[in-house]
Amino acid sequence: DIQMTQSPSSLSASVGDRVTITCRASQSISSFLNWFQQKSGKAPKLLIYATSNLQSGVPSRFSGSGTGTDFTLTITSLQPEDFATYYCQQTYSNPSTFGQGTKLEIK
Amino acid sequence: QLVESGGGLVKPGGSLRLSCAASGFSFNSYDMNWVRQAPGKGLEWVSSISSSGSYIYYADSVKGRFTISRDNAKNSLFLQMSSLGAEDTAVYYCARDYSGLDVWGQGTTVTVSS
Repeated sequence: DIQMTQSPSSLSASVGDRVTITCRASQSISSFLNWFQQKSGKAPKLLIYATSNLQSGVPSRFSGSGTGTDFTLTITSLQPEDFATYYCQQTYSNPSTFGQGTKLEIK
Repeated sequence: QLVESGGGLVKPGGSLRLSCAASGFSFNSYDMNWVRQAPGKGLEWVSSISSSGSYIYYADSVKGRFTISRDNAKNSLFLQMSSLGAEDTAVYYCARDYSGLDVWGQGTTVTVSS
């Protein structure tokens, strides 16, 4: 199975900051990488699919990049509603696998 | 919209069947997934089924114990779970797959305890 490793596991930032979350795959997954945001007690929300495609309705301050084994999610100008946990997911091969999550907290 | 049901308290070794009712889209055109989240833990992909039901995949942790199925005539997705253990305690979500898991249900809670 492909292992997905996110870093950091947690991150403190302030409103207006730019933050980057990294996801590394244990083998090449081409561009089959999605990003999700989850707020406490809620279902996850798809932010980015296929590495860099912004899901409809998601603000443009979210962006994704990468290929192969290394991927990043960048949030420019953090807003109060962005404080949540973020997960990457590979869909290159079955079983699909998620990263362990990155909790973004207010500094 | 996706609405899960069927969760509850079950004893170790027991069985449970989860359902996911879909509305507002052409259910028979989409692959569907189950994803779970243990209390205080991250997301774990559980299983997926293709739009026709021809292709089915499972996580190693549930293979041989869980069975995914769908009824396109009734716009419904199912997860039959057996030989349940404490490690299966989680919120179970169904999710539509369209260039990513783009529509999720609210989740149904499964608790395995004696």
